[in-house]
Amino acid sequence: RKEVEQDPGPFNVPEGATVAFNCTYSNSASQSFFWYRQDCRKEPKLLMSVYSSGNEDGRFTAQLNRASQYISLLIRDSKLSDSATYLCVVSRGGGKLIFGQGTELSVKP
Amino acid sequence: DTAVSQTPKYLVTQMGNDKSIKCEQNLGHDTMYWYKQDSKKFLKIMFSYNNKELIINETVPNRFSPKSPDKAHLNLHINSLELGDSAVYFCASSPEGVEQFFGPGTRLTVL
Repeated sequence: RKEVEQDPGPFNVPEGATVAFNCTYSNSASQSFFWYRQDCRKEPKLLMSVYSSGNEDGRFTAQLNRASQYISLLIRDSKLSDSATYLCVVSRGGGKLIFGQGTELSVKP
Repeated sequence: DTAVSQTPKYLVTQMGNDKSIKCEQNLGHDTMYWYKQDSKKFLKIMFSYNNKELIINETVPNRFSPKSPDKAHLNLHINSLELGDSAVYFCASSPEGVEQFFGPGTRLTVL
């Protein structure tokens, strides 16, 4: 079993839709949680950190449930430019990031 | 200005050859990393250096040898290349080991 698992995708949604990505992690010692975004043939870039209290950045909302070892990302009012692969990332500390396999999102006009 | 740069961007080579990939960051970060992203898109850490000292060394064949001449550079040398080494290799850096900034990647193809 992978340490970080995500919805396989791909998700194909129309512009304006709300889409939710889920992620689970297996190591309860995990300390930090992130969503990264990777455009096709580009490098991953940090989208947002995820906090236990939940956090929002514009149209993006991230939630963390430590008891269930579950992380989510909600994107509201999807734009064409949101099309990318979204990577769930977990850290146990010491700078080592564990990446999920990513969920591909395609937003269509 | 490019924050994390890698050279070359593309590398096509024959099995058995030795090759190097270079990485430089101008962000003043202390920690640098090498990751491998395979054809299934999984991104896995290979090595991490903090201020020229090796701190993470995952289960990577010893044909892979990182070298950090100073804290702004982390190079990756690969001996006796194999078909399975074909992947995209990303360099990254971070100030405190939390948010990591990735380079554009080096697409290695072994024929």
